[in-house]
Amino acid sequence: LAKTTQPISMDSYEGQEVNITCSHNNIATNDYITWYQQFPSQGPRFIIQGYKTKVTNEVASLFIPADRKSSTLSLPRVSLSDTAVYYCLVGDNNFNKFYFGSGTKLNVKP
Amino acid sequence: GAVVSQHPSRVICKSGTSVKIECRSLDFQATTMFWYRQFPKQSLMLMATSNEGSKATYEQGVEKDKFLINHASLTLSTLTVTSAHPEDSSFYICSAPPTGGYEQYFGPGTRLTVT
Repeated sequence: LAKTTQPISMDSYEGQEVNITCSHNNIATNDYITWYQQFPSQGPRFIIQGYKTKVTNEVASLFIPADRKSSTLSLPRVSLSDTAVYYCLVGDNNFNKFYFGSGTKLNVKP
Repeated sequence: GAVVSQHPSRVICKSGTSVKIECRSLDFQATTMFWYRQFPKQSLMLMATSNEGSKATYEQGVEKDKFLINHASLTLSTLTVTSAHPEDSSFYICSAPPTGGYEQYFGPGTRLTVT
């Protein structure tokens, strides 16, 4: 399974757009990229998933370049409640195991 | 979205006793479920894959005789921590992908404290 690398932490202010980049140089052809959000003492929550180009939903956008060796999660106009750890995971959709990387601790300041 | 529940949400037990944690998919069936362990300020570590009707498969370094997994139905998997020790104190999380779906849904987690 492709290993992922993310920044350990990021700081932002309320109302700003936050972009978190994840590197996955060994991504396989069948692999999808999925992002999860985790608050302390809670299970991870699905944010967005994509295979290539751009995906957008009501909470985030996911940008994937043509070589798919990286991806960027974009959170528009963050609020204090977006303070959490964000995980980038790579895997195929045959329900193979997810191996979590270190994640990115996003701290949103007022 | 689909819901995965865990019971109990938190449990305290004495060293040497066994504790069972349940993971249920409430509105979908899951032939496969996954169990994770998370220590404070660390990432989730995959422990094992629970397979309905067959034996679980364990990740390297995880003692299968200590962490017993049973996936008796398409909506329930249980993790039993046997002869618990203080170092087993952790946050245990399960996940399940709906059969035919593509997204994994995570349970809320179970906080285990062994005294």
